[in-house]
Formats: sequence, structure tokens, C-alpha cells
Amino acid sequence: DAKTTQPPSMDCAEGRAANLPCNHSTISGNEYVYWYRQIHSQGPQYIIHGLKNNETNEMASLIITEDRKSSTLILPHATLRDTAVYYCIVRPHFGNEKLTFGTGTRLTIIP
Amino acid sequence: EAGVAQSPRYKIIEKRQSVAFWCNPISGHATLYWYQQILGQGPKLLIQFQNNGVVDDSQLPKDRFSAERLKGVDSTLKIQPAKLEDSAVYLCASSSLTGTGVRGYTFGSGTRLTVV
Repeated sequence: DAKTTQPPSMDCAEGRAANLPCNHSTISGNEYVYWYRQIHSQGPQYIIHGLKNNETNEMASLIITEDRKSSTLILPHATLRDTAVYYCIVRPHFGNEKLTFGTGTRLTIIP
Repeated sequence: EAGVAQSPRYKIIEKRQSVAFWCNPISGHATLYWYQQILGQGPKLLIQFQNNGVVDDSQLPKDRFSAERLKGVDSTLKIQPAKLEDSAVYLCASSSLTGTGVRGYTFGSGTRLTVV
């Protein structure tokens, strides 16, 4: 079973920041927070991951609360191509532990 | 750099027929996964290989599904006989030993199976 809780859907205006929340209250000390997204008719695509510090890359920013029980993925300037299902996953960082997906958040970018 | 390759892209079969899907992982990735994604749901792991050995097949319906990874590279997933509820997208993924980073765990585009 997935160890995360996400809202089923969200809308965001094009050009605005999209903030996607995720609750992971039972996260273990050795587990990282991963975000993937799945655009229609494609396989899931890696976005970003983090342990306890905020992370940023060319795609997004990840904000993890100090108690690590929740996090927020931020797409700073959403475009229509960001319309997708976003999955928040907790997983040990090293090793070959499988990714366990929940139902994710369906983000729709509105023109 | 090549990604995870899957074929065919689409497949339509009648129930009780058999079908096979093929996956070629990223070069050097020791771990290979097959996921099943039913419409409206997240992907669910069917089987995980480490090189050519099975690590986890607890969610694989073994009465009808089988998978192999000969020589620890390419993999084939087979369904025989197919049922209507097998209609789904079958995703293959591969990961490096550490499974980290952008290309540490990569998915193919999947095979969309429709059973009629």
C-alpha cells in the first residue's frame, strides 16, 4: 500500500505556481520523498527527490516540513505541458526498493 | 542516450488468447520491473528482477502471467490466457544499483493491452 496521501485533483492557471501537497506521516528515517509525474500515454517520469532539506532542480522545487510528515512540490511557472498525474512516493534512497504508487494528484493547467 | 524500450505499443486480443510484451532496459541497469496500470489507478508492481533472478513476484497472478529475463538484459512478460480484467497499460522500468537520480529509475512508454 502507498504510504502517502494526495488530493485527487487540482487546477492551476497557466503561468502561476502550482503547489502540490503530500502527506507522509509514517515516513521512516531512511526514506526519501520522491516525486514522479505521468503525462497522458507515457510512463512515469522522475521529477525530484529529497530527504529533509529543500531541493530545487530545473523542473521543480521540493519543500519538506521539518518533521518530514508532509511535503509540497512546486512548479514555479506552470505551462500547459505540466498537465499530468503527479505521484508522491516515499522510498529508501539506495538499493532497488520498488516504487509503490498511490493514485496521485491529477493537475490540470488552465489556459 | 537510449531509454527503456517496450514493444508493442498497442495490442488488442480476444479473451482466452495469449500475448507477450517485450522490454529492453537501459544499458547497465541490473534491476528490471514490470508494472500493471489499470485506467484511473497508479502503476502496480507485478514482478522485479535483479539481473536474471526474481526478487519479488508476490503480486504476479502466476496462474496466467509469466515473465523471464534471460541473460539479465531483455525481458518478456506473457499472459496466457488473457481475461477482460487484464486490459491495462503494462509498464517496464529499470534501475541502477543505487536507483537514484534522474536516470536511476526510468520507465518505458508502456504497452496498452485491450482484451475484448
